[in-house]
Amino acid sequence: EPEVTQTPSHQVTQMGQEVILRCVPISNHLYFYWYRQILGQKVEFLVSFYNNEISEKSEIFDDQFSVERPDGSNFTLKIRSTKLEDSAMYFCASSGLASGELFFGEGSRLTVL
Amino acid sequence: KQEVTQIPAALSVPEGENLVLNCSFTDSAIYNLQWFRQDPGKGLTSLLLIQSSQREQTSGRLNASLDKSSGRSTLYIAASQPGDSATYLCAVPTNFGNEKLTFGTGTRLTIIP
Repeated sequence: EPEVTQTPSHQVTQMGQEVILRCVPISNHLYFYWYRQILGQKVEFLVSFYNNEISEKSEIFDDQFSVERPDGSNFTLKIRSTKLEDSAMYFCASSGLASGELFFGEGSRLTVL
Repeated sequence: KQEVTQIPAALSVPEGENLVLNCSFTDSAIYNLQWFRQDPGKGLTSLLLIQSSQREQTSGRLNASLDKSSGRSTLYIAASQPGDSATYLCAVPTNFGNEKLTFGTGTRLTIIP
């Protein structure tokens, strides 16, 4: 069964360092998303991406964040200068349709020290 | 602004019982509603997507209902098993036609063998 894969599963970094989280969405999907979940809190939307550009972003997704689809298969989230409060589980998701069923990856746990 | 509430926050039931999980949302102008399962420290697994034109959607022992006018959805689990133990999340689009989802805080379900 097709699935969304994410790497790394866990990353520990020092405050101020750059982090890149990687995702391989389901191959025929066109809509890509990043969500995050701080420990014990709700899953919250970060950004959506379609047709090689950001279609929507939340207030969390400030200038420190960026997304890219560098080739036909990968979708990345970059945090330029990590803060302590960026520690969370980051989930990539993809969908074949706008407002269609979302399929999530297993997540990348980011710990900022 | 869309708000999603799930009650109860936690539920423990003996194996074999049928159970109902509740989800309510404030803005009824939605395309669809999606139920997910999350195991501890893991990603989100899509269980059911119910379109706004549907009243029910079934998958195996799971049945989701949607009442848009009252802003409610229920997830019915028949003949519960210990493997059903997980957190169950519902999510709806934030605004009509919008792709991003607003999640509830989830119901943590424990099935007692």
